[in-house]
Amino acid sequence: NAGVTQTPKFRILKIGQSMTLQCTQDMNHNYMYWYRQDPGMGLKLIYYSVGAGITDKGEVPNGYNVSRSTTEDFPLRLELAAPSQTSVYFCASSYSYNEQFFGPGTRLTVL
Amino acid sequence: DQQVKQNSPSLSVQEGRISILNCDYTNSMFDYFLWYKKYPAEGPTFLISISSIKDKNEDGRFTVFLNKSAKHLSLHIVPSQPGDSAVYFCAASGSDSWGKLQFGAGTQVVVTP
Repeated sequence: NAGVTQTPKFRILKIGQSMTLQCTQDMNHNYMYWYRQDPGMGLKLIYYSVGAGITDKGEVPNGYNVSRSTTEDFPLRLELAAPSQTSVYFCASSYSYNEQFFGPGTRLTVL
Repeated sequence: DQQVKQNSPSLSVQEGRISILNCDYTNSMFDYFLWYKKYPAEGPTFLISISSIKDKNEDGRFTVFLNKSAKHLSLHIVPSQPGDSAVYFCAASGSDSWGKLQFGAGTQVVVTP
């Protein structure tokens, strides 16, 4: 099992550009999540999904969109990138609603 | 409004000694608490958890204690090993928030020889 995989590992964007962060899990988990971690801070929930076709906002959803067309994939879309979106992004999945398995992260810089 | 607080950003401990990491929370609806460990350039990995119906949970060298009246939990690592050097995050979830984890800011642990 690969667990949770994320691509790309690193990305530099210019202000106003868009991109999609990919996340795939092979554990057949229904629950998936996107977090961001800013320096010296804990992880903050951006969006989550309880199953294919169902998504909802987390704590910091502004500037992001998600979709969940399959159980395995949960891409995060950034539209009109801003410097405030410079962060490390983690995708996670879980079988139950508590113990979550995390991917290795995507480090995004917006200049 | 940070509902989970780890007030010690860093902790240095000698190999073989006990590491004690602390975490405070403000939301009385939290009923499940987790500790995650994170190495640089990796995602967090689950370490240990505790339900609010318990006050202690052990797993090998790791023990988590929960004091509900004080809204405080702690993670004990005994004995500390060099491989324990990492950032430790406390997280909490509650019946009013489905499974949305609230994370603390983390404590950097350095285990010295």
